[in-house]
Amino acid sequence: DGGITQSPKYLFRKEGQNVTLSCEQNLNHDAMYWYRQDPGQGLRLIYYSQIVNDFQKGDIAEGYSVSREKKESFPLTVTSAQKNPTAFYLCASSIVTGNTGELFFGEGSRLTVL
Amino acid sequence: QKEVEQNSGPLSVPEGAIASLNCTYSDRGSQSFFWYRQYSGKSPELIMFIYSNGDKEDGRFTAQLNKASQYVSLLIRDSQPSDSATYLCAVILIQGAQKLVFGQGTRLTINP
Repeated sequence: DGGITQSPKYLFRKEGQNVTLSCEQNLNHDAMYWYRQDPGQGLRLIYYSQIVNDFQKGDIAEGYSVSREKKESFPLTVTSAQKNPTAFYLCASSIVTGNTGELFFGEGSRLTVL
Repeated sequence: QKEVEQNSGPLSVPEGAIASLNCTYSDRGSQSFFWYRQYSGKSPELIMFIYSNGDKEDGRFTAQLNKASQYVSLLIRDSQPSDSATYLCAVILIQGAQKLVFGQGTRLTINP
């Protein structure tokens, strides 16, 4: 079955630690995205990538980093510089590069800072 | 004014009735509009998109777009308890850098 796999589903982090969230897709999509969702708020874009070895900052990139070494993989690192990292993180992909609203989402990773 | 705005609810509708979800947006030039359904603790799933003024029907779901008034609606006919979820409106804004913006979502509860 084609889809997007995110891991881990739940993650606890101590303040000052970096953590990396995994996102793998076998849909053969070129574009991949990372969103953050906080309670009662819409999704906010952290980073996106339309092609291997290239990525762009979204609206809330500060304190985050990404890489896109393979088409299938788009990991997100939440660094210690992110002041309020507790949130639900969603990875998505799309067939279309450029502006599109037709996104396929993974199941999400819930990060809690202790 | 928020770029994409929804009433956060909760919206409570009896089973079998029509649920009406509304979304307004700030950019008059926007062309592309999307509705996502998100069950509690799960990820969003695209259920409808609409690009032209008027209505677009898909089964029990109808998306309505009125560009002159800058709103987009989602109607759910014959509401079922399984329709209970948060519904996210998303719009591709074209003013400045083009980008997809999500509303905060409307929580819908269908009461048996």
